[in-house]
Amino acid sequence: DTEVTQTPKHLVMGMTNKKSLKCEQHMGHRAMYWYKQKAKKPPELMFVYSYEKLSINESVPSRFSPECPNSSLLNLHLHALQPEDSALYLCASSQTSGGRTDTQYFGPGTRLTVL
Amino acid sequence: DQQVKQNSPSLSVQEGRISILNCDYTNSMFDYFLWYKKYPAEGPTFLISISSIKDKNEDGRFTVFLNKSAKHLSLHIVPSQPGDSAVYFCAASAHQGGKLIFGQGTELSVKP
Repeated sequence: DTEVTQTPKHLVMGMTNKKSLKCEQHMGHRAMYWYKQKAKKPPELMFVYSYEKLSINESVPSRFSPECPNSSLLNLHLHALQPEDSALYLCASSQTSGGRTDTQYFGPGTRLTVL
Repeated sequence: DQQVKQNSPSLSVQEGRISILNCDYTNSMFDYFLWYKKYPAEGPTFLISISSIKDKNEDGRFTVFLNKSAKHLSLHIVPSQPGDSAVYFCAASAHQGGKLIFGQGTELSVKP
């Protein structure tokens, strides 16, 4: 089983709203990731959590705040977003984040629209 | 600086024929390569991978070839089926804490 689940599937929010995206995996993976993908572009890495600790932050604006409550869950808290933040937000997980052949498995994504 | 390049934005193939998708990379530290398939508004689905210690890996209709001296890899799909129509991303890893570098993607269209 290589399933990563994400909720909600779609989210529309205003620029003053606070919302959260959720991601879950039950594969026993110890690394989890957030990516952002714009139309016709490849996924762009935002954050990496390794063993529930933030290990990579790709200079993401502070209006995006990740949280890893336990090894199976990953959240992305959103606050004061801009319309240009509208995108598909993807969660992924892998066995570890430094292994020789770590394969990342992606969830279905959350389509975010900021009005 | 684009470290992983997919120079063909699109490819059209007849059903039953071979599809060949290409990917070039510049960073000699990359040692693990993956192909993902993506439908619109969905997450990428892992297809197949190859470690730099190999030059070929096969899984059913999908075969990935790696030419390290040319810094080139390719994905062969044979026979191609209409359900294979999607965007294919090549990705590479140099074990920098989990960073995957993606190419720009190639949109494959398999016509019946």
